[in-house]
Amino acid sequence: QKEVEQDPGPLSVPEGAIVSLNCTYSNSAFQYFMWYRQYSRKGPELLMYTYSSGNKEDGRFTAQVDKSSKYISLFIRDSQPSDSATYLCAMAYSNYQLIWGAGTKLIIKP
Amino acid sequence: DTEVTQTPKHLVMGMTNKKSLKCEQHMGHRAMYWYKQKAKKPPELMFVYSYEKLSINESVPSRFSPECPNSSLLNLHLHALQPEDSALYLCASSQGAQGGAETQYFGPGTRLLVL
Repeated sequence: QKEVEQDPGPLSVPEGAIVSLNCTYSNSAFQYFMWYRQYSRKGPELLMYTYSSGNKEDGRFTAQVDKSSKYISLFIRDSQPSDSATYLCAMAYSNYQLIWGAGTKLIIKP
Repeated sequence: DTEVTQTPKHLVMGMTNKKSLKCEQHMGHRAMYWYKQKAKKPPELMFVYSYEKLSINESVPSRFSPECPNSSLLNLHLHALQPEDSALYLCASSQGAQGGAETQYFGPGTRLLVL
């Protein structure tokens, strides 16, 4: 079993829809949770960073962490074609090493 | 400014060549990273430098040789690579504070093709 599970998709939704992206994990020691967005042939771009449980909002993006269920989510409101990218979740204990999900390819159809 | 720059953007090399990838950041970060990313896969950690000292080497073959000349620069020297080493090579940096996981900022990558 992988430490972090993420559905690779692709996930295709119409423009304006609310998008929900998810990761599950097995190791309860994870304390730090991140979402990165990666456009084709570019480096990953940090979208959200959360410590421990709870919600965090930034514009159209909301990150949720449920440590009791070992489940994290990223919601995108009013999705735009420019949001089409691969979304990677990543988690860490307390060192430099990130444990990555496989990435979900998201397609927003105009 | 959260910019990490990498040069070159693209690199084609033969298996007998020697080349170097360069990475630079001016955010005052003291941890710098090299990752390798294959298509449709997440990044794989190769090396971590913390305060200019190599702190993590993920059992990377010796044909990859990292160097950290100062706190702003990171190089990856390449020699006698194999075609399977073709990938996107990503540099990242983070604050390097003691304790706690680090928010890593990535550069745009160097797309390497080994013929």
